[in-house]
Amino acid sequence: GQQLNQSPQSMFIQEGEDVSMNCTSSSIFNTWLWYKQDPGEGPVLLIALYKAGELTSNGRLTAQFGITRKDSFLNISASIPSDVGIYFCAGLRETSGSRLTFGEGTQLTVNP
Amino acid sequence: DGGITQSPKYLFRKEGQNVTLSCEQNLNHDAMYWYRQDPGQGLRLIYYSQIVNDFQKGDIAEGYSVSREKKESFPLTVTSAQKNPTAFYLCASSKGQVSYEQYFGPGTRLTVT
Repeated sequence: GQQLNQSPQSMFIQEGEDVSMNCTSSSIFNTWLWYKQDPGEGPVLLIALYKAGELTSNGRLTAQFGITRKDSFLNISASIPSDVGIYFCAGLRETSGSRLTFGEGTQLTVNP
Repeated sequence: DGGITQSPKYLFRKEGQNVTLSCEQNLNHDAMYWYRQDPGQGLRLIYYSQIVNDFQKGDIAEGYSVSREKKESFPLTVTSAQKNPTAFYLCASSKGQVSYEQYFGPGTRLTVT
């Protein structure tokens, strides 16, 4: 079952604002992945993190692998209307083989 | 272009019928996965396969079956035993032990009436 707490559940922001969302767990993860899903489509991988403390950027997106290995953060700077969608975190635990654990998603709405 | 294809995009079936969803990848990935997504919810793992001719149950395998006869293909059958089959089904693949990054197909929306 779900062991990742993703927050916030939804966000309504104005175009140009910065956005932050996070995933936390009581378990330790070896890998953190962040995905974006547009309506009716499959999730698209945005950023992958492999080391505690790692900070990785992809354009206006920046994600961090928490130092405790129990959390991860995603920031979007200067949001634009096409940022609308659902953002999912996913983590890989050492004991889970290749099975990812997914958060329940953050629904982002950007008002022009 | 390399990628994952799922067909069809929309599928309609009558209750009591089995239906098979297709998933094909040409990424040369070893591992493949099937997820179910209900409205406003996250992804739940149905089945996964780390190598040809082998697969494991995920968290919600009841009422579903899979096969992995070829590396490129991982079809999912939704049987009549699945009590609530209407959902969005997503297939994914990964390199496996080399990398666990999963890449998703476009999904199939199944409606059973």
